This record gives sequence, C-alpha cells and structure tokens, in this order.
Amino acid sequence: EAQVTQNPRYLITVTGKKLTVTCSQNMNHEYMSWYRQDPGLGLRQIYYSMNVEVTDKGDVPEGYKVSRKEKRNFPLILESPSPNQTSLYFCASSLRHLAGGNTGELFFGEGSRLTVL
Amino acid sequence: EDKVVQSPLSLVVHEGDTVTLNCSYEVTNFRSLLWYKQEKKAPTFLFMLTSSGIEKKSGRLSSILDKKELFSILNITATQTGDSAIYLCAVEASGGSQGNLIFGKGTKLSVKP
Repeated sequence: EAQVTQNPRYLITVTGKKLTVTCSQNMNHEYMSWYRQDPGLGLRQIYYSMNVEVTDKGDVPEGYKVSRKEKRNFPLILESPSPNQTSLYFCASSLRHLAGGNTGELFFGEGSRLTVL
Repeated sequence: EDKVVQSPLSLVVHEGDTVTLNCSYEVTNFRSLLWYKQEKKAPTFLFMLTSSGIEKKSGRLSSILDKKELFSILNITATQTGDSAIYLCAVEASGGSQGNLIFGKGTKLSVKP
C-alpha cells in the first residue's frame, strides 16, 4: 500500500530534550516536505527536499533540522525543543517536485502531535 | 510577501445546498494552485490548477482558476454530511525557491442533515 509513515504519532516531551520525528514513503517520490499545523495559522512549511541531499527552508524553519540521505526517508529533528514547537506535524511527499509540473498531488502522513512542556 | 487567503473561514450549510469556497493569492512567479480536503487527519488531494478558465471536475466538486484576478473557487453541489471538512487551498510559487508551497488557513465546512 502506497503510504507516508510518520513516527511517533503522539509525543509529550520536555524543553531541551532532542527529538526526531521520522518520515518514510514507499512511493519512490522525489519531493518530500514537513509542515506544522496550528489553530488559526493553517499549514506552514518547515523544510522541503527536492531529492536526495537537496533540502531547503520553508516558511518556518527556525528550531528545526532535516536531512535527506536516502530517497525514502526525511526525518525532522528538533535539537532543543521549546513549548512554541507544540504542534501537529505533517510529512508529505510527491512524485515530482511541484515545479516539475507533472503532479502537485501531495501524499500526507497521518500526522504527529507533539507537546513540549 | 507571498500569501494565500481563503474565505469564508467557516461555513455551515444544510444537506443539498451548493457552496462556493474562495481562495485568493498574491505570489511571485505563480506555478500552480491546489485544493485539499482535510477531515480528521491528513489532507487529501482534490485538484491542481495551472491554467485560467479550465474547470476541473470530480463528481459534485469542481474548481476553476482565474490567473488574471488571482483567485480560485471550489464548488460543491448537493452537499452531503460527508463533505464536512476543512478545505485547504495552496499555491506553489517560485519567488524564493522552487518547491515552496504556501497554504491558506482553510475553510471549515459543516454540512448539517
């Protein structure tokens, strides 16, 4: 089954304790992206990746890191989480990067709800 | 600054009604506009629009883009309770870097029996 898998789905942590949210897709997609969704603010892009070893900042990259060492995986790293990073996080992937024009259909993971105390 | 604005932010209708959701945008180097439906969890793709005036249709849903006036509409006819969801509009622009997808805040649609 074609899917984007995120882990953990739910996490409560404390300020300053490094954490990683993993994202894996089994569709051989080139493009992957991370978003956070907050009430009243909608979905905001954190980082995206056009392909292996190619990453770029989205609209709200501060406090986050990513890596794209393999095509299927795109982990989101919070080196020193703070309460303002409490949010619902979505990973998404697409067959071609959107600028390629063939498809803009993003496949989203089920979301990871993170609480930082 | 690139931005995408959706209206209304929320809407309550009764089954059988027709609704129109709006999405306006101001972006540098527009590439495409996308609509997604978000129920309880992850957004799911509805449409991608790149050309003005060409309607995309899927069942009771349809959408069209106006690149001159910088907006798109999503129409839902004969609404059903299953249409209740948040509808998200997103625009891909290359003002900064390619691949930056900007979402609006969404329209929350509630369809009552």
